[in-house]
Amino acid sequence: DAGVTQSPTHLIKTRGQQVTLRCSPKSGHDTVSWYQQALGQGPQFIFQYYEEEERQRGNFPDRFSGHQFPNYSSELNVNALLLGDSALYLCASSLLVSGRNEAFFGQGTRLTVV
Amino acid sequence: AQKITQTQPGMFVQEKEAVTLDCTYDTSDPSYGLFWYKQPSSGEMIFLIYQGSYDQQNATEGRYSLNFQKARKSANLVISASQLGDSAMYFCAMREGQAGTALIFGKGTTLSVSS
Repeated sequence: DAGVTQSPTHLIKTRGQQVTLRCSPKSGHDTVSWYQQALGQGPQFIFQYYEEEERQRGNFPDRFSGHQFPNYSSELNVNALLLGDSALYLCASSLLVSGRNEAFFGQGTRLTVV
Repeated sequence: AQKITQTQPGMFVQEKEAVTLDCTYDTSDPSYGLFWYKQPSSGEMIFLIYQGSYDQQNATEGRYSLNFQKARKSANLVISASQLGDSAMYFCAMREGQAGTALIFGKGTTLSVSS
């Protein structure tokens, strides 16, 4: 049973560029959440997708956008990259209607903006 | 105000000893959940244990137990019989309201286990 998978694992981009990160949820899960983790900090919630719609959003600018596909996989897009966007981006999946509380995380994508 | 506070930046313990990692939280929602995650240097967040606000008993998962003191708004993680593989970053997190909402994380505690 595959867990949450994210791609790529590492990425280097230049300021002003755009980036797309991908996430495949754990088998059977229907909800995907994205988090940004700066070095030495705890993860911060970006947004959550369920049934292909953005269900909840954290305090992130519109440069951060996302998408969920019919197979429940998800993408995180960041436009006009800033140096401060350098971070580990974590994807978490869960099954919303089950009432269970665990969110399973992927290994993350480490984005470096230069 | 911080929703999740972890006051110990780093903790050091020897193998086979027990260790307590502190976590206090702040919420006015009567329904919430508290989580602990382990993050090794590889980056993946590993779920350890969960405590619901209405749960009467403290949660336990193998060597992990959660010391839940609702009136004090604390949810400390206790790791019994530490192992070298327990060396990692540990995060306390909270969900407010219904299941499935966003997790709010603390800043974490680095645990170092020595032989």
